[in-house]
Amino acid sequence: SAVISQKPSRDICQRGTSLTIQCQVDSQVTMMFWYRQQPGQSLTLIATANQGSEATYESGFVIDKFPISRPNLTFSTLTVSNMSPEDSSIYLCSVVGIRTGGYEQYFGPGTRLTVT
Amino acid sequence: RKEVEQDPGPFNVPEGATVAFNCTYSNSASQSFFWYRQDCRKEPKLLMSVYSSGNEDGRFTAQLNRASQYISLLIRDSKLSDSATYLCVVRSYNTDKLIFGTGTRLQVFP
Repeated sequence: SAVISQKPSRDICQRGTSLTIQCQVDSQVTMMFWYRQQPGQSLTLIATANQGSEATYESGFVIDKFPISRPNLTFSTLTVSNMSPEDSSIYLCSVVGIRTGGYEQYFGPGTRLTVT
Repeated sequence: RKEVEQDPGPFNVPEGATVAFNCTYSNSASQSFFWYRQDCRKEPKLLMSVYSSGNEDGRFTAQLNRASQYISLLIRDSKLSDSATYLCVVRSYNTDKLIFGTGTRLQVFP
């Protein structure tokens, strides 16, 4: 499986500010995704990060709030903009690896965000 | 109705017990099925894919019933280290999106 790292691992931010989360993979991957996991809940897909083009957002998520970059096949960023306490969550990046052969998806360690 | 439904538990079982988790999915076009494990404050980790014929990996056995849109996970000889939340995950036909159940919490006690 691919080795995925995320930075920062956690942060406490004030409302109204923005935070950019980085996701780095140790190998080239075709598919990268960003998820959110709110306290006590399961994972919700925010968007698919497309290399060289705009991300594809799921219903309820918009680019102005969650801008995403994916400049190459190993790196992506997710920005949480104009944060409010409702954005407190774990944000996880996820990949489908070319090497795995089949469809298996792996997750980074997550970024735990608290908005005060 | 949720796309993927699981009994949230918790399931509290003694070491050595056999425990089974069930999951149902609503989209008959679903193509791929998985069980993930998530430890407290950690990311989900793939436990096993679920194949149509059923599959086994050590103490873990996964079954799929497409007609009933039902997936199961059986854990034999439970260990303390099996304590975690088990997520049932479904991928729809022709998309790369995974739909997660809310998870079933397992607590194995000595």
